[in-house]
Formats: sequence, C-alpha cells, structure tokens
Amino acid sequence: GDSVTQTEGQVALSEEDFLTIHCNYSASGYPALFWYVQYPGEGPQFLFRASRDKEKGSSRGFEATYDKGTTSFHLRKASVQESDSAVYYCALGTNTGKLTFGDGTVLTVKP
Amino acid sequence: GALVYQYPRRTICKSGTSMRMECQAVGFQATSVAWYRQSPQKTFELIALSTVNSAIKYEQNFTQEKFPISHPNLSFSSMTVLNAYLEDRGLYLCGAAGTGKDTQYFGPGTRLLVL
Repeated sequence: GDSVTQTEGQVALSEEDFLTIHCNYSASGYPALFWYVQYPGEGPQFLFRASRDKEKGSSRGFEATYDKGTTSFHLRKASVQESDSAVYYCALGTNTGKLTFGDGTVLTVKP
Repeated sequence: GALVYQYPRRTICKSGTSMRMECQAVGFQATSVAWYRQSPQKTFELIALSTVNSAIKYEQNFTQEKFPISHPNLSFSSMTVLNAYLEDRGLYLCGAAGTGKDTQYFGPGTRLLVL
C-alpha cells in the first residue's frame, strides 16, 4: 500500500538556521505530494503541493521539489524563525481522494 | 479562502454513550470530506472518505455501524461516534476538498474524551 516516511521525528534548530525535513514516499504511479503544518490546538494547515516530477511547491519561505527518481519531497527553508515551531507532515494523495500522512516531524526553533 | 469549521471543539462523554460532531466548509464546495482520527502520538488514521452523491468508503477497522457519517450537501458533514469507549479517544479531524481538487483543508478538530 501507499506509505510516507519522514526520517526525522524531532528537529531542534536556532533562529536563522537552515531547515531540511526528509520525506520519502512509496506509491504506484504519480501521486500528488503535500506538506502540512500543525500548530498546537489546531488542525493541519495546507502549505503546498506538487504533482509532477521536478515540480517545486513553495509557501511562506518553505519549499520542496518532487523527485520521482528518489521518491522524495524534502521540505527546506533557508532561515527558520521561532514562529515556525510546529509539527510538519508530508502526505501523498491518489486519485481515490485519500491522503496518506507521514508520522510528522516536530520542529523546535530556539530564539 | 477555504475555511473549515468543526463543532464542538471538545467534548466529554461517558463510556457507552454516543456523540455527534460536525464539519462545515466555507468559501468552497466540499465535494469530498475525509474524517480522520489523530492519536496522542500525532499519527493520522483515515476513518472514511465521503463524496457527495457517492457511497461513503470506510477504511479497514472502521465501520458505518460505529461511525455513521452524513454528507447531505456541499458545505456540511457530520459523524457520530456510537457507543464510545476509551479506545475512541482522540482528535477527530475533517478534511474537505473541492470539486476536482485533491487538496484537503482541515478544521481544528473535535477532541473526544471518554470517561
């Protein structure tokens, strides 16, 4: 079945550090790939998506590039802020309408 | 923009009783609504996917008899947790997507506590 693997369960950074959260997927065909962010007490917020090989999605300074060769969609940000502290989820979607989520990565940014 | 509301935000029920939660989409037509349960460990379980004018598809380990869902129009869906027990505790999220779209927009969730 479809699956998403996020390598890092927790990431701790200081402000202005560079962020990478690794996301790899397993699915047949060309799934759509998503990044969501969840703040305490809220539901997941859609960040961006990509659906084709080499397509880049971006929002709020975060970006990720769909790589079918390595089955990856790694999240990056050049300079994180304390307000970026949250849980980040990579997800894949198929034409069935379902989303399959990774286990999430807790990002903590210290001032 | 696309907004999704959920009611109530938090509810407590006695073991063996039932509770109903609602999901409302504003600013777009919610052709499909997916209901999830998020565990304390923050992982997501898909309960069912509902598409207007189509049968509701339940995932393995979830049944209509336990989690009946209604999706009567393009802005509203509800789900009931029947005969709730401790293992039903968690944050219930609805994710709504528009016609021909695969991006789901989520509400803040309904947190269910069972005593």
